Amino acid sequence: NAGVTQTPKFRILKIGQSMTLQCTQDMNHNYMYWYRQDPGMGLKLIYYSVGAGITDKGEVPNGYNVSRSTTEDFPLRLELAAPSQTSVYFCASSYSDRYNEQFFGPGTRLTVL
Amino acid sequence: AQKVTQAQTEISVVEKEDVTLDCVYETRDTTYYLFWYKQPPSGELVFLIRRNSFDEQNEISGRYSWNFQKSTSSFNFTITASQVVDSAVYFCALSDDYNTDKLIFGTGTRLQVFP
Repeated sequence: NAGVTQTPKFRILKIGQSMTLQCTQDMNHNYMYWYRQDPGMGLKLIYYSVGAGITDKGEVPNGYNVSRSTTEDFPLRLELAAPSQTSVYFCASSYSDRYNEQFFGPGTRLTVL
Repeated sequence: AQKVTQAQTEISVVEKEDVTLDCVYETRDTTYYLFWYKQPPSGELVFLIRRNSFDEQNEISGRYSWNFQKSTSSFNFTITASQVVDSAVYFCALSDDYNTDKLIFGTGTRLQVFP
């Protein structure tokens, strides 16, 4: 049981490049989330999904897109990378049994230069 | 609007000292859950505790204890006899959205425990 896995662990992008951060969970969780963590700012919710085919915006969605075609996968797409997107990105998942704790992946450290 | 405030940005203690990390929350809902997560230097987020709004009993788990007081909207975390391995960033979080389990995080408290 690998839990929540994220790839890549590190990435450097140039301004204007695009990339997809991968997230997979093997716990059959319906709910999945993407957060970004900036220094001293805690975690902010980017997008979330309550099931395959259903996604919605969180607090800071601008510059990102997501899709959820399967229960297991929840990729995050950056279309035109900007320096403001330099951050650590965490994917998380939880049981759809109301107010359950979220299980987090190891994070992806992204730098945009 | 929901909000979680962790006013202590950084705390430094010497091993074996007790330390309390403060968490104050805001929500209009009567049903909500509060969480604490630990982020060690390795970077992963580790779940510590979940507490619902109807249960104000204090909780103790080994050297960790949590004090939930609805009257002051606080959910404080105490580490007794701190150890170097307790050095981490600790996040308090609130969930009051029944349909999505979205978490609202505080900005975290960095705890440094010196030998």
